[in-house]
Amino acid sequence: EAQVTQNPRYLITVTGKKLTVTCSQNMNHEYMSWYRQDPGLGLRQIYYSMNVEVTDKGDVPEGYKVSRKEKRNFPLILESPSPNQTSLYFCASSSSLTEQYFGPGTRLTVT
Amino acid sequence: GIQVEQSPPDLILQEGANSTLRCNFSDSVNNLQWFHQNPWGQLINLFYIPSGTKQNGRLSATTVATERYSLLYISSSQTTDSGVYFCAGTPAGGKLIFGQGTELSVKP
Repeated sequence: EAQVTQNPRYLITVTGKKLTVTCSQNMNHEYMSWYRQDPGLGLRQIYYSMNVEVTDKGDVPEGYKVSRKEKRNFPLILESPSPNQTSLYFCASSSSLTEQYFGPGTRLTVT
Repeated sequence: GIQVEQSPPDLILQEGANSTLRCNFSDSVNNLQWFHQNPWGQLINLFYIPSGTKQNGRLSATTVATERYSLLYISSSQTTDSGVYFCAGTPAGGKLIFGQGTELSVKP
């Protein structure tokens, strides 16, 4: 089954404790991206990757890091999480920037 | 930047009713999609519809790219249709831009 998976689905952590949210797709898509969704602000892009070893900033990259060492994986790293990073996070992938497929989401709470 | 306007922002329906949701873009976009975000937060792909009309069961969508709008039709609505409906598109060479969504509540 073609899908985008994210882990963990839910995470409660404390300020400053490094965390990684994994994202994996099995559709051989070149393009992957991360979004965060916040009430009243909609979905905003954090980072995107056009292919392996090619990443670029989206609209709200501060406080986040990404890497793309393999085509199927695109982890999101929060090196020192803060409460303003409490949000619902989505990973997405697509082939050649056409139809995008979203993962199930990760609810992150930083206390 | 490009603006995406969805209407109405909120909609309450009685089960069995029909509805039309609209998405307007301020400039040309490619790769227009419709999503349903269910009450658990998951974003479900409904349609990939850069132009033309598609149907999937009780749902159908029409995009008129030359006039920069798209419509989502929901017929015989069910309580499971509740949630937020988003349209999104990519301007030339750009990233996916989302509308603010239409929040739909279907009452039994």
